[in-house]
Amino acid sequence: EAQVTQNPRYLITVTGKKLTVTCSQNMNHEYMSWYRQDPGLGLRQIYYSMNVEVTDKGDVPEGYKVSRKEKRNFPLILESPSPNQTSLYFCASSGLAGGPNTGELFFGEGSRLTVL
Amino acid sequence: EDQVTQSPEALRLQEGESSSLNCSYTVSGLRGLFWYRQDPGKGPEFLFTLYSAGEEKEKERLKATLTKKESFLHITAPKPEDSATYLCAVRNRDDKIIFGKGTRLHILP
Repeated sequence: EAQVTQNPRYLITVTGKKLTVTCSQNMNHEYMSWYRQDPGLGLRQIYYSMNVEVTDKGDVPEGYKVSRKEKRNFPLILESPSPNQTSLYFCASSGLAGGPNTGELFFGEGSRLTVL
Repeated sequence: EDQVTQSPEALRLQEGESSSLNCSYTVSGLRGLFWYRQDPGKGPEFLFTLYSAGEEKEKERLKATLTKKESFLHITAPKPEDSATYLCAVRNRDDKIIFGKGTRLHILP
């Protein structure tokens, strides 16, 4: 089954404790992206990647890091989480980066993060 | 700055009462406009892609249309199962994908 898998789905942590949210897709997609979704603000792009070793900042990259060492994986790293990073996070992927279908995103189920 | 604005924020309809959702956009080099459906607690689900003004796409009770400044999602004779948040997004020339805040649609039986 084609899917985007995120882990963990739920996490409560404390300020400053490094954490990683993993994202893996099994569709051989080139394009991958991370979004956060907050009430009243909608989905905002954090980082995106057009292919292995190619990443770019989205609209809200501050406080986040990403890496794309393998095509299927695109982890989101919070080096020193703060309460304003409490949010619902979505990973998404799309087929050929730069191709006509970029934007037809497959989303994961989401990871709800709370930073105390 | 690229921007997507959706209206209304929320819409309540009776079952069978047709209506339209609006998505207006400003974007540098539009490379596609996308509609998604999002159910509570789930990730968005892709519905349509539109590339050029005048284009239309249909799926069951939904029809999406595109002009140079806006897109409409028309819902014909909706059913309660059409209740969801509908998201509009655009892809710009740098392949960034920008989402609107969505319209929460509630269909009353």
